[in-house]
Amino acid sequence: DADVTQTPRNRITKTGKRIMLECSQTKGHDRMYWYRQDPGLGLRLIYYSFDVKDINKGEISDGYSVSRQAQAKFSLSLESAIPNQTALYFCATSDADARAGRDTQYFGPGTRLTVL
Amino acid sequence: AQSVTQLDSHVSVSEGTPVLLRCNYSSSYSPSLFWYVQHPNKGLQLLLKYTSAATLVKGINGFEAEFKKSETSFHLTKPSAHMSDAAEYFCVVSEGPGGYNKLIFGAGTRLAVHP
Repeated sequence: DADVTQTPRNRITKTGKRIMLECSQTKGHDRMYWYRQDPGLGLRLIYYSFDVKDINKGEISDGYSVSRQAQAKFSLSLESAIPNQTALYFCATSDADARAGRDTQYFGPGTRLTVL
Repeated sequence: AQSVTQLDSHVSVSEGTPVLLRCNYSSSYSPSLFWYVQHPNKGLQLLLKYTSAATLVKGINGFEAEFKKSETSFHLTKPSAHMSDAAEYFCVVSEGPGGYNKLIFGAGTRLAVHP
């Protein structure tokens, strides 16, 4: 079984709809992340969470919100989807490393979202 | 601020020939550096990781990368390409201080392998 799972894997929706993308992990990691991938831009961080009570904005959080329901679950919401939010979305997890910046992130399979 | 530049957006090699994917970084701190691979319609898989130990890092599937501080480079190599290596490769630097492992991704290099 995959350590990091994302649902749905593909979603097509219309402008203005509310969408939730879900991420679950069985790695026992405290830290979880949401990224979006656009062609030619690599991955960009939307939100990250170091534990259930610690949620932080990334570099492109506008138009998104998150919820950390449990250590193993981290969901991303688009309150009112717009076409430029069409992208591939990845969830990732990592375990804290005492040496800052040394922890490795493990990625889920991605969710392809299309907003018409 | 950290940044990553992957010098080639596309690389094409023949099966059995060497692979070189180039990456330069800028960092104000001692960086952690990673290479991830993304196969079509798949998630990102960690190939290898440098965290200030040995400068030559060996990864999975025969890949390795060498950290060269003087050149601020972290190029990925493989002696002999296989068809299954065709994928997109991302060089990543970690912005470490403060305990926040923010990953800065390069734009990616798409590797094509021809028979």
